[in-house]
Amino acid sequence: GQQVMQIPQYQHVQEGEDFTTYCNSSTTLSNIQWYKQRPGGHPVFLIQLVKSGEVKKQKRLTFQFGEAKKNSSLHITATQTTDVGTYFCATPKNYGQNFVFGPGTRLSVLP
Amino acid sequence: NAGVMQNPRHLVRRRGQEARLRCSPMKGHSHVYWYRQLPEEGLKFMVYLQKENIIDESGMPKERFSAEFPKEGPSILRIQQVVRGDSAAYFCASSPLKTRTETQYFGPGTRLLVL
Repeated sequence: GQQVMQIPQYQHVQEGEDFTTYCNSSTTLSNIQWYKQRPGGHPVFLIQLVKSGEVKKQKRLTFQFGEAKKNSSLHITATQTTDVGTYFCATPKNYGQNFVFGPGTRLSVLP
Repeated sequence: NAGVMQNPRHLVRRRGQEARLRCSPMKGHSHVYWYRQLPEEGLKFMVYLQKENIIDESGMPKERFSAEFPKEGPSILRIQQVVRGDSAAYFCASSPLKTRTETQYFGPGTRLLVL
């Protein structure tokens, strides 16, 4: 079945450092969504990318969709302690009626 | 506009009991998804429902688990004869339309603990 992989699984950074998480698929994706889940919380929608090569920014967050629409990245510039959480990518399942979530990247930010 | 609501937020059951988890989607949303999240793991799709219809239950265990979304009232995820391995956070999400570009809005989750 369709799978999306995320790397790294964990990332520990010092406050102020940059952070990037990658989402990869072996198949072409119709779109990719990114969610953030704070510790003890629930997933919260961040952004959706649809077009090949698309780049979107939200303050310190930059989201990219690969030219081949098989991978995506989320980059955070100058991390803050409020960025702590797990970042998931998700995509509609091919020929299915549901979404597939990546395993997530857990970000820790040391003050 | 209230968000997705789930209750209870925490549920403790002994092995063999039944667990009923409720999800009220956002106003105007007619699509509900249920996910399970084990500690330190990602979200696993369980079932996708529209009003009075189960559209995709490919992620639901064949035994002990059932889901419904009646014409009136919340969506219910029912787990019969719970076992310790059922301990997890159960999230529901809703969306207004079923298209492949729709955002899902998640509820706060129900944390189920089976003793």
